[in-house]
This record gives sequence, C-alpha cells and structure tokens, in this order.
Amino acid sequence: NAGVTQTPKFQVLKTGQSMTLQCAQDMNHNSMYWYRQDPGMGLRLIYYSASEGTTDKGEVPNGYNVSRLNKREFSLRLESAAPSQTSVYFCASSEAVVGHQGTEAFFGQGTRLTVV
Amino acid sequence: DQQVKQNSPSLSVQEGRISILNCDYTNSMFDYFLWYKKYPAEGPTFLISISSIKDKNEDGRFTVFLNKSAKHLSLHIVPSQPGDSAVYFCAASARAGGTSYGKLTFGQGTILTVHP
Repeated sequence: NAGVTQTPKFQVLKTGQSMTLQCAQDMNHNSMYWYRQDPGMGLRLIYYSASEGTTDKGEVPNGYNVSRLNKREFSLRLESAAPSQTSVYFCASSEAVVGHQGTEAFFGQGTRLTVV
Repeated sequence: DQQVKQNSPSLSVQEGRISILNCDYTNSMFDYFLWYKKYPAEGPTFLISISSIKDKNEDGRFTVFLNKSAKHLSLHIVPSQPGDSAVYFCAASARAGGTSYGKLTFGQGTILTVHP
C-alpha cells in the first residue's frame, strides 16, 4: 500500500545548487501534480501532468522544471536553488484529471526543503 | 489573487461539540469542491467532496454544505473528537474549460483543535 512515494524526505541545499525531487505512484494513475506548501499560503500548484507525455505549468512554475518519466514517475527539478524555494513540497496523483466527480488527488508525505 | 479563501486560521472546539469550518471562493467556473485533512509531517488526505449539482454531502460525522449563490461552502464535524485535530484545507476545481480545469486550487487552511 505505498500509494505516492516521495524522496528525499528532507534536504538542505546551498543557494545555487541543483537537485531533483523524485515522486512515484503505484496506483496506475494518469495525472500527477507537484505542490508547495508555505505558511499562510495553503498548497500552490507548481506543475502538473494530466497524462503520460504531457506537462503544464501551474500557479508558481518559475524556477522549476518537471519530467514525466513514465506513467509512474514525475520528478521536480530545481536548477539553481534560491532561499525563496524553501518550502514543503508535495507530489500527488489522481486517476483522472481532478474535477471529474469522484476523482480526488492522493498525496505523498512531502519533502521538506531548506535553501540556505 | 486568492480564488479560494479560508478566513479563519484556527478554530478551537470542545470534544463532542460541532466544528464548522468555512470556505469562500471567487471563481464561478469552480464546480467541484473537496476537503482535505492534514496532520503534521504527513501529506493531505482526502476527506469529503461535493459537486455543484448538490448542496449537501454527508459521510459519517462529516457533512459538507455548498451555497452556490454565495460561493460558500462549509464542513461540519459532529461530534468532534480529539483525533480530528489537524489542518483542514478546502480545495476547488473546474470540470470543464478554463484555466482551473483539472487542477486543485487550495485555501490557506484552518487549524482545528478539539479539546478533551
């Protein structure tokens, strides 16, 4: 019953370093998402992939890139980390695009990233 | 521009009483609404949803009410239990068309504390 698995769980980066956050789901879901959570801001969508082979920008895409490697995996890359990217990052997946009745998104446990 | 707003950052209730969490939205394209619950150091978990064709949906102790004309929804928890203490997020999506299609837009969250 793994669901959505994110690695790593914690990471500290220096300004300017790069890293990739990994996400994998074992529910055969078509859609995958990356969100960031900041105090007082709720969860904000960074990028999403409605289906394998497609990716689209969300609300806050600047400074990030994504790759939908296959149906299971959706990675988020920070090319040059900045302190403003200090946040908790959540990956999620859903069977179909969210909004169809009965479809909800399932979330991973999060990656806590600190950029110093 | 915050399209989904939870204006109460926190709510404290006594065990056994009713908890009412509120959420307002501004985007008239939203037609599917969800509530998520989040414990510290965990990802959000789906709680209950409602489509815009309904004004009420009930699941055990949890009931969501939707007032489309006021663009307002609320989550009622009766009776409240200490294990319900968590952050509650309201989220919205559009089923067809527009920039909100297929994405979840979240509110800022409300911290619920249920005292024994």
